[in-house]
Amino acid sequence: EDQVTQSPEALRLQEGESSSLNCSYTVSGLRGLFWYRQDPGKGPEFLFTLYSAGEEKEKERLKATLTKKESFLHITAPKPEDSATYLCAVQARGGSYIPTFGRGTSLIVHP
Amino acid sequence: GAVVSQHPSRVICKSGTSVKIECRSLDFQATTMFWYRQFPKQSLMLMATSNEGSKATYEQGVEKDKFLINHASLTLSTLTVTSAHPEDSSFYICSARLTENIQYFGAGTRLSVL
Repeated sequence: EDQVTQSPEALRLQEGESSSLNCSYTVSGLRGLFWYRQDPGKGPEFLFTLYSAGEEKEKERLKATLTKKESFLHITAPKPEDSATYLCAVQARGGSYIPTFGRGTSLIVHP
Repeated sequence: GAVVSQHPSRVICKSGTSVKIECRSLDFQATTMFWYRQFPKQSLMLMATSNEGSKATYEQGVEKDKFLINHASLTLSTLTVTSAHPEDSSFYICSARLTENIQYFGAGTRLSVL
């Protein structure tokens, strides 16, 4: 059974204080790992897809990296508008390609 | 990115009534859409996969007679919560699959059953 564990559950940062969110996964052959941002009362917004170990993707202050067991979402010099819940999901090879989601990390960035 | 419209965003209803939620893909055709339920501080729980022109595939433990799904066209799927009860109160989110790797989410519907 595919599993996704995100840590920490919640993270409070001061504006400008860089940090990383972790997504550990077990899957029977990784097809893709996804990061989403979810604002309160809204649906998830797609950020990145990573396909193979060593791959990195960046968008503004966010950088996602992938190893064979985990992915990190690095946030550099965060701003209050980066406050949100960040969800990680994995998609296994074969089968229905339906991704399995983690519980997310709730990030609050204080001004 | 692609846009998925979900309506209504919020609904309050009396116990025993039925509620319909619409999910539309606005700029692409989606043969597959998904319906999720999300509890506070919990992850997205897949309820069912909606397939255009055929019956939905429900996840284990999800009552198909309770949560009726219709995917009548390539841009529209509906979820009807029948005879809603307070325990059905939750945040429901739909998504539309663009490719095998990419799905776009609606903004969600907050259902409150009194």
